[in-house]
Amino acid sequence: AIRMTQSPSSLSASTGDRVTITCRASQRISSFLAWYQQKPGKAPNLLIYNASTLQDGVPSRFSGNGSGTEFSLTISGLQSEDLGTYYCQQYNAYVTFGGGTNVEIK
Amino acid sequence: QIQLHQSGPGLVKPSQTLSLTCAISGDSVSSNSAAWNWIRQSPSRGLEWLGRTYYRSIWYNDYEVSVKGRISIAPDTSKNQVSLHLNSVTPEDAAMYYCVKAHCSVGGCFYSWFESWGQGTLVTVSS
Repeated sequence: AIRMTQSPSSLSASTGDRVTITCRASQRISSFLAWYQQKPGKAPNLLIYNASTLQDGVPSRFSGNGSGTEFSLTISGLQSEDLGTYYCQQYNAYVTFGGGTNVEIK
Repeated sequence: QIQLHQSGPGLVKPSQTLSLTCAISGDSVSSNSAAWNWIRQSPSRGLEWLGRTYYRSIWYNDYEVSVKGRISIAPDTSKNQVSLHLNSVTPEDAAMYYCVKAHCSVGGCFYSWFESWGQGTLVTVSS
């Protein structure tokens, strides 16, 4: 199975900061990668698919980049409502998720 | 707007069968541009895809290897819903279970991203 490794596992940043989360695949997955945000007590919510395509309704401060084995999610101008846990997911071969990155607001 | 409403018991005894139902509104379980998945989440295992069903002239199923042989995901077209059955449960099966719609292209249903999620059902395995 393809393993997805996220870093960091947690971070704390101030509103307005630029935040980057990294996801590494154990083998090449082309651009078959999605990102989700999960707020406490809620189901995950799709942010980005195909590595860089923003889901309808998602604020433009979220962006995705990468292909092959290295991917990143960037929040440009962190807002207080962005707190939560972020997950990457590959769908090149079956489906696997990363372990998550918990984002806290200072 | 699609809504996925899950129902089913939150407590299952060890060795028994976990059964959950997902009622779909705003879409069709027989849609040729969707696949209907079950995903679970626990602190120890994280997010774990369990399997899916989808319709392309006939019904197809795919299951995660770790639960294959114990799992069944089935559509009910008369009620526009999809069910999950997981038998011989152990405490390791305790988790939040989600019903999830995945995008599929009309021509084929490769694995893809998950665009709509149910509210989740917290399942405890205990006697």
